[in-house]
Amino acid sequence: GAGVSQTPSNKVTEKGKYVELRCDPISGHTALYWYRQSLGQGPEFLIYFQGTGAADDSGLPNDRFFAVRPEGSVSTLKIQRTERGDSAVYLCASSLMALGADTQYFGPGTRLTVL
Amino acid sequence: GNSVTQMEGPVTLSEEAFLTINCTYTATGYPSLFWYVQYPGEGLQLLLKATKADDKGSNKGFEATYRKETTSFHLEKGSVQVSDSAVYFCALSPETSGSRLTFGEGTQLTVNP
Repeated sequence: GAGVSQTPSNKVTEKGKYVELRCDPISGHTALYWYRQSLGQGPEFLIYFQGTGAADDSGLPNDRFFAVRPEGSVSTLKIQRTERGDSAVYLCASSLMALGADTQYFGPGTRLTVL
Repeated sequence: GNSVTQMEGPVTLSEEAFLTINCTYTATGYPSLFWYVQYPGEGLQLLLKATKADDKGSNKGFEATYRKETTSFHLEKGSVQVSDSAVYFCALSPETSGSRLTFGEGTQLTVNP
């Protein structure tokens, strides 16, 4: 079946602009996660959804970052007033439930470059 | 808070050599433990996992045993292949407070023919 998909695969923007990154999880997966991976580092947690609600947004670095999942499927990560330090690969993952033992399936990521 | 520490890399081996990548963790209770792999140009894939103490996860010739007493989950393979060249990430998911993954920094493995 189809895996997790993310669009766009690459996004180049200028400092101060607004960007939206989209994630389409595996069908039937109720939990959806966003991570950020900087070069040479492991992914860092940003936020996760159980259904439509954000169950844990403690990883969002500041109030410029916001994410939604209005219908419990597709999610959008929104970044306002982008800064050069936001440049990274943004990863989305989904799992069947939000249980610790559940496997998270990752998408290919969106590479964001802020000039 | 939770944390994962991986052995410093990169690691370079010859084909058929034995591989160990060390991973230790800090967490309360009994987290679930994972190894993810990122092949060149591809996304993160689950390699193996263990969800309780003394469990052994295995896949594609790789193994890792959940050691609660040493808070470790070392990755091993008896005979590596060139196709195993990738970045390997150790990760944990807490027993409580949701299922967010905490990753180590990753270990770059290069296997030469």
